[in-house]
Amino acid sequence: RKEVEQDPGPFNVPEGATVAFNCTYSNSASQSFFWYRQDCRKEPKLLMSVYSSGNEDGRFTAQLNRASQYISLLIRDSKLSDSATYLCVVTSIFTSGTYKYIFGTGTRLKVLA
Amino acid sequence: DAGVTQSPTHLIKTRGQHVTLRCSPISGHKSVSWYQQVLGQGPQFIFQYYEKEERGRGNFPDRFSARQFPNYSSELNVNALLLGDSALYLCASSPLRGTAVPDTQYFGPGTRLTVL
Repeated sequence: RKEVEQDPGPFNVPEGATVAFNCTYSNSASQSFFWYRQDCRKEPKLLMSVYSSGNEDGRFTAQLNRASQYISLLIRDSKLSDSATYLCVVTSIFTSGTYKYIFGTGTRLKVLA
Repeated sequence: DAGVTQSPTHLIKTRGQHVTLRCSPISGHKSVSWYQQVLGQGPQFIFQYYEKEERGRGNFPDRFSARQFPNYSSELNVNALLLGDSALYLCASSPLRGTAVPDTQYFGPGTRLTVL
């Protein structure tokens, strides 16, 4: 089983639609969770951190369910500019006390005019 | 403030050659991590360095090595290149404040390596 699993998509949605992505992770000891956005042939950029209480940033809402070990991202009122790959990230701690990011394969979103 | 910078942006090598990729972190960030991203996949962790010491290593062969310099910049070296090493190599920096909660990592634009 992969450490972080995402549906690769693609998700093709019309402008204005609401779309949701889920991500599951296998390590119950993971401490921090993020969603990154990656445009074609560019570097990943932080979209938002994910907290147990849920967090919202404009049209974007992220949720964490520790009991079921999944993370979600909801995008409301989709814009053409939201077309990108969305990467789910889970952290894993080393014995040295530092950590690494474990990425999912990413979910491709295409918003259609 | 300047973000994470990487050089070169693109590189073409042949099998068996050696390559060195360079990264400069955000000013004030002491930790650098390296990731490999092949087409269609998420980035995979290679190394993390903090205060010039290796703090973590991913599941990559010994052909991959790295180091961090006193100014916190870093180099990733890959020996005996294989076709499968063709990928986008990403460097990420973080402040690594020493708290129990991982910091956000900020990524550079990457070096696109093609091995022929």
